[in-house]
Amino acid sequence: KQEVTQIPAALSVPEGENLVLNCSFTDSAIYNLQWFRQDPGKGLTSLLLIQSSQREQTSGRLNASLDKSSGRSTLYIAASQPGDSATYLCAVPSGAGSYQLTFGKGTKLSVIP
Amino acid sequence: DAGVIQSPRHEVTEMGQEVTLRCKLISGHNSLFWYRQTMMRGLELLIYFNNNVPIDDSGMPEDRFSAKMPNASFSTLKIQPSEPRDSAVYFCASSFLLSGTPNTGELFFGEGSRLTVL
Repeated sequence: KQEVTQIPAALSVPEGENLVLNCSFTDSAIYNLQWFRQDPGKGLTSLLLIQSSQREQTSGRLNASLDKSSGRSTLYIAASQPGDSATYLCAVPSGAGSYQLTFGKGTKLSVIP
Repeated sequence: DAGVIQSPRHEVTEMGQEVTLRCKLISGHNSLFWYRQTMMRGLELLIYFNNNVPIDDSGMPEDRFSAKMPNASFSTLKIQPSEPRDSAVYFCASSFLLSGTPNTGELFFGEGSRLTVL
C-alpha cells in the first residue's frame, strides 16, 4: 500500500528566504508525482507534474525534483513571498498501474512579511 | 478554459435530506474523480470515472452515496439520506488519461462543495 509522508507538517519562514518541502513515498513504481497548493477554503491547485522519466520540473520560483529510486521528491521555493502561504501537498499513484492518487497530509507554509 | 466547476459551493442541510453535488469537467478531459476532504482523514477518493464509466467506486462509503456521469462533461454525487458524519468538503477533479496507459495525467480540482449536515 502506497504511503506518502510530508515533512515538516508546518513551516514558518521570513519573507525572502529560500525553502525546501519534502515528500517521501513507499512504492516507487510510479508514473508521475504531482505537487499541489491549497489555500484555506479553496480547492487544490496543480503546481508541477513530474513524469517518472524526469528528474525535475521548474515553474517560475518553484522547482520540484524526483528521485524514484529513493522514493523522494522535494519542492524548492525561491525568494519566498507572503502570497506563497498555503498548504502544499504531494500526490503519487497508489501503485503500479493505479489511477488512484495517494496524497500526503501536506506542509502548511507561512511566510512572514 | 473555466476549469472544473462545482456547485453548490456551500450546502447546509438537515439530517435525512437528499443532497446533490454537481461537477462540470474541463473540456477534453476524459477522467473524473470525486474526493472528500476532512481534517481527520485528509483527502479520500470516493469514485473514479473514465470515459463516463465508473471504474472504481470502492471508496464510496455506503449505499447512501451514488454518483452518475450522464455525459462526458457532467457528473453528480448524491447522498440520500444525509447524516451529520457526511459533513466535509467534496471535491471533483478531472484529467486526461491516455488510452492504454495507467498514467494518471495532471489532475485539476474544482473549488469544492462544503457540506454541513445538521
